[in-house]
Amino acid sequence: NAGVTQTPKFRILKIGQSMTLQCTQDMNHNYMYWYRQDPGMGLKLIYYSVGAGITDKGEVPNGYNVSRSTTEDFPLRLELAAPSQTSVYFCASSYGAGASNYGYTFGSGTRLTVV
Amino acid sequence: AQSVTQLGSHVSVSEGALVLLRCNYSSSVPPYLFWYVQYPNQGLQLLLKYTSAATLVKGINGFEAEFKKSETSFHLTKPSAHMSDAAEYFCAVSDWNTGNQFYFGTGTSLTVIP
Repeated sequence: NAGVTQTPKFRILKIGQSMTLQCTQDMNHNYMYWYRQDPGMGLKLIYYSVGAGITDKGEVPNGYNVSRSTTEDFPLRLELAAPSQTSVYFCASSYGAGASNYGYTFGSGTRLTVV
Repeated sequence: AQSVTQLGSHVSVSEGALVLLRCNYSSSVPPYLFWYVQYPNQGLQLLLKYTSAATLVKGINGFEAEFKKSETSFHLTKPSAHMSDAAEYFCAVSDWNTGNQFYFGTGTSLTVIP
């Protein structure tokens, strides 16, 4: 019963470094999402994907990139890390959209600190 | 764009007392509405959802919420708080046009006092 798996759970980056946050789901969900959570700010959508090979920007995409080569995987790439990217990152997936929207399944999060 | 307002970033109740967490949304079309709970150092878990069926929705752990279109509200309630209910609660909305994208409120932290 893995659901959505995120790695790593914690990471400290230096300014200017790059890294990839991994996200894998085993529920055959077409829709996948990346959110960041900052204290008192709720969750903000970074990127999302409606299927393999299709990605689109969310509310706060600057400084990030994504790819979706398979249904299962949706990695988030940070290039040239900045302190403003210190946050908790959540990956989520869903079965469908519109009338078939059953809500998201979330991963347990990646806590990233940029120093 | 959609927006969600959660009144009260922190709510404290005594164990056994009524829990009321407020959520108001802005939408020009019938929305989908959700409540999620987040326990410390964990991801978000779905509590309940409204998808245009019954206006009173029952969720897990004794929580329920009522969709009131006239008030554009979807408040979360539980008749009797338990210590294990202490967590962060998020209201989220999506609509017919953008059902694959959620908009989250800023969250309400619930403290239960013994």
